[in-house]
Amino acid sequence: GAVVSQHPSWVICKSGTSVKIECRSLDFQATTMFWYRQFPKQSLMLMATSNEGSKATYEQGVEKDKFLINHASLTLSTLTVTSAHPEDSSFYICSAWESTGNEQFFGPGTRLTVL
Amino acid sequence: QKEVEQDPGPLSVPEGAIVSLNCTYSNSAFQYFMWYRQYSRKGPELLMYTYSSGNKEDGRFTAQVDKSSKYISLFIRDSQPSDSATYLCAMSASGGATNKLIFGTGTLLAVQP
Repeated sequence: GAVVSQHPSWVICKSGTSVKIECRSLDFQATTMFWYRQFPKQSLMLMATSNEGSKATYEQGVEKDKFLINHASLTLSTLTVTSAHPEDSSFYICSAWESTGNEQFFGPGTRLTVL
Repeated sequence: QKEVEQDPGPLSVPEGAIVSLNCTYSNSAFQYFMWYRQYSRKGPELLMYTYSSGNKEDGRFTAQVDKSSKYISLFIRDSQPSDSATYLCAMSASGGATNKLIFGTGTLLAVQP
C-alpha cells in the first residue's frame, strides 16, 4: 500500500508555544489530505480537510486560527498548533487520499504533549 | 446520540477463537463501510471495505453490512495473537476524495496464546 509519514512522531512543548506537524505522502501525490485528532479511548475525529493550493475546510468546532493547515505541495501538508495548551495534548493523525486506489492512507500519528 | 456506536471492549479471546466485532449507526446516508486495524501508537490500517449491504470475505476476515438494521460486523476466524489491536469501524456517505469518514471509538482486542 501507499505510505504516509508524519514528523515528528512525538513532541513535548510548553504551554503557549507553537508546534508544527508534517504529513507527507511518500510514493504518491495527494491533492487531498485529512487531519484527525484522537483522544485516549475515543474515536478519531476529523479536524479539517486539506486541499493542495487552496484553503483548508475545518469541521465545526475546530478553530482555524489555532490549527493552521498548509498544503503547499502534492506530497506535503502541515498542521501548526498555535499557542498550544494542555488541553491540546492528543494524538494527531493525518491521512492522504490516493486517487488510483480510491483509498485514504493514514500516517503513523504524532503524539503531542503540552506541559 | 453518536452517529456511530462501537463497544470499546476490551475483548479477550483465546487463540483460534472466532471474533465478532460490531458497530451500529444512525445516519441512513452512509453507503461506504470500512474496518481499520490500529496498533498502539500507530495510524489505522484499512482491513476491509464494503459498499452498501452484503458480505465480503478476505482470508480470515469477513465483513457484513446490514443497512436495514444499520449494523455492521467484522468476523475474524482462527484468531492469532498478532490480531491483537484496536479495531475501528468507519463509514461515509460518499466515496472519493470528499468522503468524510466517521469513526467508531474502536474495540480493543486481545488474543491470548
